[in-house]
Amino acid sequence: AIQMTQSPSSLSASVGDRVTISCRTSQDIRDDLGWYQQKPGRAPELLIYSVSNLESGVPSRFSGSGFDTFFTLTITSLQPEDSATYYCLQDRRQPFTFGQGTKLEI
Amino acid sequence: HVQLQQSGPGLVKPSQTLSLTCAISGDSVSNNSAAWNWIRQSPSGGLEWLGRTYYRSKWSYEYALSVKSRIIINQDTSKNQFSLQLNSVTPEDTAVYYCARDTTGWPFDRWGQGTLVTVSS
Repeated sequence: AIQMTQSPSSLSASVGDRVTISCRTSQDIRDDLGWYQQKPGRAPELLIYSVSNLESGVPSRFSGSGFDTFFTLTITSLQPEDSATYYCLQDRRQPFTFGQGTKLEI
Repeated sequence: HVQLQQSGPGLVKPSQTLSLTCAISGDSVSNNSAAWNWIRQSPSGGLEWLGRTYYRSKWSYEYALSVKSRIIINQDTSKNQFSLQLNSVTPEDTAVYYCARDTTGWPFDRWGQGTLVTVSS
């Protein structure tokens, strides 16, 4: 299975800050990388698919980049509602695998 | 507007079978651009893909190796829903179980509300 190494596992930031979360994969997954946001008691929600494509309705302060085996999620101008846990996902090869999660505290 | 509504018991005894259903509205389980998945989240927060079903002129089923010997995913086209059966459960199967849709290019873009299943006697 493709291993996903996400970092950091947690971080604290302030309103208006910029943060970056990284995800490293054990194999080249081309552009089959997505990012999810999960708030307590809720299902994960798709933010970004195919590395850098913003899901409909997601604020433009979220962006993704990367290639090969290293990918990042960047959130600029942090808002209080961005407090959540973020996960990366590879859907290049089965079993589809998620990163361990990054808990962002605002 | 696609919605997935899960149902099923929240408590299962060890060695028994976990059964959940996911009812689809706003899409069809037979949509030949979609796949219908089950994913679980452990109490520590880790997400694990369990398997999926999809229709491309015939029905296909794909399972994670970790549960392949114990899992069955099925669909009911008359009710527009799909289901999960996980046999011989142990306390390690305690998790929140989600159903989710993926479509070509959009991985897991719609999710059910989640069902906490506890395996305990």
